[in-house]
Amino acid sequence: DAGVIQSPRHEVTEMGQEVTLRCKPISGHNSLFWYRQTMMRGLELLIYFNNNVPIDDSGMPEDRFSAKMPNASFSTLKIQPSEPRDSAVYFCASSGTPLGGRDRETQYFGPGTRLLVL
Amino acid sequence: AQTVTQSQPEMSVQEAETVTLSCTYDTSESDYYLFWYKQPPSRQMILVIRQEAYKQQNATENRFSVNFQKAAKSFSLKISDSQLGDAAMYFCAYRRGPMNRDDKIIFGKGTRLHILP
Repeated sequence: DAGVIQSPRHEVTEMGQEVTLRCKPISGHNSLFWYRQTMMRGLELLIYFNNNVPIDDSGMPEDRFSAKMPNASFSTLKIQPSEPRDSAVYFCASSGTPLGGRDRETQYFGPGTRLLVL
Repeated sequence: AQTVTQSQPEMSVQEAETVTLSCTYDTSESDYYLFWYKQPPSRQMILVIRQEAYKQQNATENRFSVNFQKAAKSFSLKISDSQLGDAAMYFCAYRRGPMNRDDKIIFGKGTRLHILP
């Protein structure tokens, strides 16, 4: 398996622009998580989905942030409009085992997207 | 609410020596999972080791082992024969047990480990 795939790996944009981050979870995993990591705030859970349904979005900072999971193999995190304080590394992670086997609880992380908003 | 505490923001160890990273957690549940993740300078989050609370035997993965003390709610990570590639931020994490449908993992704030050549 290729693991969790995120794109782009790096994004530089100007304040006010729309930013879309993409994630492909590990095949067969049914839970997907979006995290943000900064020096000041550490690792924060933004939102997570189970079976494509948003379960907990209490970590989404404000209305400028939105996340979707249209199918089991794809999710997006959108920031519109972006602001300099959104600069961070954004991680996607997935967990679950299709047949309910071992290790369904472990989250596996993608490589992250480094976002810089100027 | 569950919490995870890593009391050592930074640690250093001489190459080839052994180092132990501390982690304590707070929970009222009896069944849960504990993890250690490693984040090297590349920023990739890598699973190092996991422990199921109902198992008394401490988990091991090559040079990495844990000391799981359930009554004390302690979950320390021991790295033997430290190597330069072990230099990273290490996160301790907690997840509620299989009977709980909450998939969230609670992370500690991390311990930055430096390896001295």
